[in-house]
Amino acid sequence: KNQVEQSPQSLIILEGKNCTLQCNYTVSPFSNLRWYKQDTGRGPVSLTIMTFSENTKSNGRYTATLDADTKQSSLHITASQLSDSASYICVVSRNGSGNTGKLIFGQGTTLQVKP
Amino acid sequence: GAGVSQSPSNKVTEKGKDVELRCDPISGHTALYWYRQRLGQGLEFLIYFQGNSAPDKSGLPSDRFSAERTGESVSTLTIQRTQQEDSAVYLCASSSGPINSPLHFGNGTRLTVT
Repeated sequence: KNQVEQSPQSLIILEGKNCTLQCNYTVSPFSNLRWYKQDTGRGPVSLTIMTFSENTKSNGRYTATLDADTKQSSLHITASQLSDSASYICVVSRNGSGNTGKLIFGQGTTLQVKP
Repeated sequence: GAGVSQSPSNKVTEKGKDVELRCDPISGHTALYWYRQRLGQGLEFLIYFQGNSAPDKSGLPSDRFSAERTGESVSTLTIQRTQQEDSAVYLCASSSGPINSPLHFGNGTRLTVT
């Protein structure tokens, strides 16, 4: 079954600290893995997209890693800010027919950054 | 330029009424998606458009749900005879098409069925 599992479900950290969010997937055949940030009451915003051949990608203080062999990804946030408080969603796209309709979404990790 | 626009932002309706939700994608984006997000839950795929055709409708939960897209632009999601379990945020996203293109989401329509 094609699934995306994220951990932890929620996380509280102090401003300025670093944190790492995890994503494990069983989606096959694999096309790409995406991380999105969703602020409360808003739509998700793309942070990174990684294909099979990429094992790391950065976007400012956000760094995503991908291990396609173990089917694991992580999102590392450096020097957290209050504005990083949001839900972070891991999304995996299947390869094949070219129909990109079915992206497999994880349930998200809710991050709260406290002053 | 403008992002994905959805209207209304909030909709309260009585059980049994029909509702129409609108999505204006980014100009030139050929791919358009509808998702449903229940409170505290992940995104649930509903339907995907490529141009004006919908090659994947497999996520529509029942025949009360339908969607159309015209002019390779605006899309409307219609829910007939709404039920309380339809209460959720309905998110629309568009992309320029290639499989590695990011999705650009609107801020959603929050639907409450009383």
